[in-house]
Amino acid sequence: DGGITQSPKYLFRKEGQNVTLSCEQNLNHDAMYWYRQDPGQGLRLIYYSQIVNDFQKGDIAEGYSVSREKKESFPLTVTSAQKNPTAFYLCASSGRYGTGELFFGEGSRLTVL
Amino acid sequence: RKEVEQDPGPFNVPEGATVAFNCTYSNSASQSFFWYRQDCRKEPKLLMSVYSSGNEDGRFTAQLNRASQYISLLIRDSKLSDSATYLCVVEAWGSNYKLTFGKGTLLTVNP
Repeated sequence: DGGITQSPKYLFRKEGQNVTLSCEQNLNHDAMYWYRQDPGQGLRLIYYSQIVNDFQKGDIAEGYSVSREKKESFPLTVTSAQKNPTAFYLCASSGRYGTGELFFGEGSRLTVL
Repeated sequence: RKEVEQDPGPFNVPEGATVAFNCTYSNSASQSFFWYRQDCRKEPKLLMSVYSSGNEDGRFTAQLNRASQYISLLIRDSKLSDSATYLCVVEAWGSNYKLTFGKGTLLTVNP
């Protein structure tokens, strides 16, 4: 089955720790995205990548970092510099940048204790 | 004015009711419009694209009014399974094809 796999589904971390969220897709999509969703809020774009070895900051990139070394993978690191990291993180991909149809993973819920 | 603004909701309707969601957008360069559905604690999924001529998919009808910068979604004969949050999404070609999501409107269909 083609799709996007995010892991872990739930993650707890202590303040001051970095954490990396995994996102893998086997849809052969070029574009990949990371969004953050807070309760009662819309999705906010953290980073996006149109092709391998290239990525761009979204609206709320501060305190986050990404890499795109392979087409299938787009991991997100939440660093200790991110002031309010507790959130629901969603990875998505699209077959053609700008189509509007995003395929999302099931998300990762990060809680900072 | 927020980039994408939706009815705050929540909407509680009985089965069989017709319900309409409204959405306004501020960027006149916006070119593409979509409705996504998000079930509780799940990922969003594309429900339908919104075309200038309006489009219908079964019980769902989407309309676009570019002059008023307004999008709507109409659900007829609502089912229990329609209970979800509906997200209005706008794409502006001038901004590197960035999608902007509204906060969503929660719909609960009651038996």
